[in-house]
Amino acid sequence: EAQVTQNPRYLITVTGKKLTVTCSQNMNHEYMSWYRQDPGLGLRQIYYSMNVEVTDKGDVPEGYKVSRKEKRNFPLILESPSPNQTSLYFCASSTGLKGSNQPQHFGDGTRLSIL
Amino acid sequence: DQQVKQNSPSLSVQEGRISILNCDYTNSMFDYFLWYKKYPAEGPTFLISISSIKDKNEDGRFTVFLNKSAKHLSLHIVPSQPGDSAVYFCAASGPGGTSYGKLTFGQGTILTVHP
Repeated sequence: EAQVTQNPRYLITVTGKKLTVTCSQNMNHEYMSWYRQDPGLGLRQIYYSMNVEVTDKGDVPEGYKVSRKEKRNFPLILESPSPNQTSLYFCASSTGLKGSNQPQHFGDGTRLSIL
Repeated sequence: DQQVKQNSPSLSVQEGRISILNCDYTNSMFDYFLWYKKYPAEGPTFLISISSIKDKNEDGRFTVFLNKSAKHLSLHIVPSQPGDSAVYFCAASGPGGTSYGKLTFGQGTILTVHP
């Protein structure tokens, strides 16, 4: 089954404690992206990757890091989480060179609470 | 600075009637637009898209209209069904050729279809 898998699905942690949210897709997609969803703000893009070793900033990259060492994985790293990063996070992937124009497959989300 | 705006947070319609969801954008460089639907506790799913070279795209009960001069797009659902009740996000990307990675979403509109 074609899917995007995020882990963990839920996490409560404390300020400053480094965390990583993993994202893996089994569709051999070139394009992957991270978003956060906040009330009244919709979805906002954090980082995206057009292919292996190619990453770029979205609209809200501050406080986040990503890496794309393999095609299937695109982890989101919070080096020093702060309460304003409490949010619902989605990873997505799509095929082809026109990544953002292609229908993206989304994971089911990771709800992060940073105290 | 919200470049993609969905000014109606919610919309309620009767089953069988038409649902019209609206979206406005400010960046004239956007040249591709997508609609996604999201159910609670799931990731968004792609619904329909339109290129800026078109003014209409139809897929079954779903039609998207684009008015470039007004920087406005709308999603029509006819006839509406209770299963269409979800949050609907419009998204925009572009310009093509330099930016196939960034994607900007609106705030979302909650559609409720009553039986």
